[in-house]
Amino acid sequence: KNQVEQSPQSLIILEGKNCTLQCNYTVSPFSNLRWYKQDTGRGPVSLTIMTFSENTKSNGRYTATLDADTKQSSLHITASQLSDSASYICVVIGFSGGYNKLIFGAGTRLAVHP
Amino acid sequence: DTAVSQTPKYLVTQMGNDKSIKCEQNLGHDTMYWYKQDSKKFLKIMFSYNNKELIINETVPNRFSPKSPDKAHLNLHINSLELGDSAVYFCASSRTGTGGSGANVLTFGAGSRLTVL
Repeated sequence: KNQVEQSPQSLIILEGKNCTLQCNYTVSPFSNLRWYKQDTGRGPVSLTIMTFSENTKSNGRYTATLDADTKQSSLHITASQLSDSASYICVVIGFSGGYNKLIFGAGTRLAVHP
Repeated sequence: DTAVSQTPKYLVTQMGNDKSIKCEQNLGHDTMYWYKQDSKKFLKIMFSYNNKELIINETVPNRFSPKSPDKAHLNLHINSLELGDSAVYFCASSRTGTGGSGANVLTFGAGSRLTVL
């Protein structure tokens, strides 16, 4: 069964600290993996896209890693800011019936406190 | 100049009523989606339309019917609303293709919060 599991479910950190969010998946065949940021009351916004051959990709203070062998990804946030408070959703794209199929994780809710 | 816009943003209605949520995208994307986000914050796909053809229907009750008059619009009509339909409904769009860059990146609308009393 295609699944995407994220941990922790929620996280509280102080402003300026770093944190790492985890994503484990069992989606097969695998196409690519995306991290989305969802602010409260808004739709998710894409942060990074990881293909099978990519191990690390950075987008400003966000760095995503992918280990396609162990089917794990992480999102590392450096020097957190109050505006990083949001839900972070891991999305894995596989194939089904000739089309790309998106499998969503439940998300990690991050709260950055001053 | 909003990329994916959906209306209304909030909708409160009684059980048994029929309601619609509208979605429009101006990105030139060829695929549009409806997702339901429940109280546990899981995003679950309901429908996907590619060039006005339905390609995914994830066992959604037939009280839900998507209507796509053209590539830029995908409306969601719900008949005989039930309490369990209360959720936030997100519209999204993407450009289909292979590979990781650009293609299949979803652009989401702001969501429509439906409350059934």
